[in-house]
Amino acid sequence: GDSVTQTEGPVTLSEGTSLTVNCSYETKQYPTLFWYVQYPGEGPQLLFKVPKANEKGSNRGFEATYNKEATSFHLQKASVQESDSAVYYCALGITGNTGKLIFGLGTTLQVQP
Amino acid sequence: NSKVIQTPRYLVKGQGQKAKMRCIPEKGHPVVFWYQQNKNNEFKFLINFQNQEVLQQIDMTEKRFSAECPSNSPCSLEIQSSEAGDSALYLCASSLDRYAEQFFGPGTRLTVL
Repeated sequence: GDSVTQTEGPVTLSEGTSLTVNCSYETKQYPTLFWYVQYPGEGPQLLFKVPKANEKGSNRGFEATYNKEATSFHLQKASVQESDSAVYYCALGITGNTGKLIFGLGTTLQVQP
Repeated sequence: NSKVIQTPRYLVKGQGQKAKMRCIPEKGHPVVFWYQQNKNNEFKFLINFQNQEVLQQIDMTEKRFSAECPSNSPCSLEIQSSEAGDSALYLCASSLDRYAEQFFGPGTRLTVL
């Protein structure tokens, strides 16, 4: 079936270091890929989406490339800030179903000053 | 920032009691989703609507859960007879169409004692 697997957390980094959160997906249909971020006490916020293979999404210094061959969509940021501390979710949308998203289990990022 | 409004933010019920929560989608968004997020950060899709029509719902939703999105009124999700396992964050999201970005509200945190 359709699924998403992402880096298990928590991930602890120092400010100014680089971040990679791995995400891989499985589907036999046509996916659109999303990254969401969730801060404590809030709902998930969309970081960006990428609907097409080999395209890149980016926002707030975060970026990810939809790699169809590797079925991956890894999240990267060159230099993290303390304010980036949150839980990051990779999500899969399937064209042809009714629009529900399939979320990974989330990766908790803690950035130390 | 998302403009999806969810009320109440917190809900405490005893087992067997009804629990009702509401959602006002972003203006102009005809598609509404409900998800359940448990304490392990797992998301479970419950039901979605396009305007007032149900697009998809899971089995659990058909049995103890009821939901509607009436015209010109908030959408609602109601649990007829709450169980301890229903304790979770209930998230409402809206979008322009079923395959577009979903924007989430802050959620209603339900605790069933």
